[in-house]
Amino acid sequence: KAGVTQTPRYLIKTRGQQVTLSCSPISGHRSVSWYQQTPGQGLQFLFEYFSETQRNKGNFPGRFSGRQFSNSRSEMNVSTLELGDSALYLCASRVSVNTEAFFGQGTRLTVV
Amino acid sequence: GQQLNQSPQSMFIQEGEDVSMNCTSSSIFNTWLWYKQEPGEGPVLLIALYKAGELTSNGRLTAQFGITRKDSFLNISASIPSDVGIYFCAGQGSGGSNYKLTFGKGTLLTVNP
Repeated sequence: KAGVTQTPRYLIKTRGQQVTLSCSPISGHRSVSWYQQTPGQGLQFLFEYFSETQRNKGNFPGRFSGRQFSNSRSEMNVSTLELGDSALYLCASRVSVNTEAFFGQGTRLTVV
Repeated sequence: GQQLNQSPQSMFIQEGEDVSMNCTSSSIFNTWLWYKQEPGEGPVLLIALYKAGELTSNGRLTAQFGITRKDSFLNISASIPSDVGIYFCAGQGSGGSNYKLTFGKGTLLTVNP
């Protein structure tokens, strides 16, 4: 069974631009969560989607948004990028909202 | 909000030594998960714990779900160089927003051959 797939693996963007990251969950998993990982803050929860509905949201500004499609694939969008948005963005999928989560390899975003 | 304290922050050990790390929470969790992350990769699930007092092994790794449901421990026996990485604990509550995973800051493990 294929694991969680995140694309692209690496991105370089300029301040003020926007970016869209993609996550394909494990087949049969209906929950997708997004995390931001930085050396100083560790793994910070962004949001979780289940059956195309946002179920939980972390403490991030409205520039961070996401959505989930009917095939459970998810996208995350960051608008008006700031230097501080440089991070590893991780996606995790699980069968349901209360089961163990499996992570993708992440997308390394660098904002210059 | 829920907070997880993971300790130690880092460990430098000799190959063959045993390792212990733990996480404590300000809140009760229904599930504890332990992950390992290597450079440039996403976290990989090592062990999942679902019941207070549960002790679960995965090869040389053993993890326990604390009786108070506010802590968990991970032990690695007879460490080898490929154990190097960052180990994260994660806790999950129940109901609504508590279903989201809360992560510790990680324990960086270095194994000297």
